[in-house]
Amino acid sequence: DTEVTQTPKHLVMGMTNKKSLKCEQHMGHRAMYWYKQKAKKPPELMFVYSYEKLSINESVPSRFSPECPNSSLLNLHLHALQPEDSALYLCASSQDRYRANTEAFFGQGTRLTVV
Amino acid sequence: AQTVTQSQPEMSVQEAETVTLSCTYDTSESDYYLFWYKQPPSRQMILVIRQEAYKQQNATENRFSVNFQKAAKSFSLKISDSQLGDAAMYFCAYMDGVGDMRFGAGTRLTVKP
Repeated sequence: DTEVTQTPKHLVMGMTNKKSLKCEQHMGHRAMYWYKQKAKKPPELMFVYSYEKLSINESVPSRFSPECPNSSLLNLHLHALQPEDSALYLCASSQDRYRANTEAFFGQGTRLTVV
Repeated sequence: AQTVTQSQPEMSVQEAETVTLSCTYDTSESDYYLFWYKQPPSRQMILVIRQEAYKQQNATENRFSVNFQKAAKSFSLKISDSQLGDAAMYFCAYMDGVGDMRFGAGTRLTVKP
C-alpha cells in the first residue's frame, strides 16, 4: 500500500466555519507534511511532522492548526479562514525526515474554497 | 535558503519526440536530493525520477533520464519517445539533508499527437 489518502476531496466553507482536513497513510512513514498549492503555482510547505512532533511551521497563520494524533494520521484544523486561503491542500509522507534518501508520497489533495 | 528555478513555464513536444525540461537550484549544502514530480490534471503529485547529489551517475527510469551537473547546479529532465500521457505539469524539487522539500515554479508540458 503506497497510498496517502486525503479527505474530503472538496470542501467549501464560510469564513466563520470550523472544518478539518484529514490525511492518512499506512506505509509506516514517520514524516508527514502539509503543502498549500495555489492555481498554477508550486506546492508551498506549511508544516512538517516528524515522529508525531511538529518540526517545522513555515510561518503559517494561526487559523491553520495542524495535529498529528498518531503516526498514521495528520489533520489540519481550519478556523476563520479568508477567501485567499482557497487552494489545493496536499498531504505527503516520507519514510523518515532524517533519512532523505527516500521519496515523498503525495495524496490527491483537498480542494478548499472559502466563501 | 535553497531555491529551485524552472525557467520554462511551458513546453511542447510532438508525440514520439524527445523533450528536455530545465531546472537549476541554489544551495550551500553538499548532501541533498533532487526530484522531478509530475502533476496531471488529477492533481496527484507523482514521482518521475530521483537523483542523489553524492552520485555522479545520472538517474534513468525507462523513458526518463536526467542530466545532473552538480558544479553548475543544474538538473534537467529528458523525456524520450514522448507519449500523450506525459502531458502534465512537471515540478523540479530539492530536498535537503533533513528531508524538507522545495519546488520550482513548474513547467507545463503539452504533447501534440
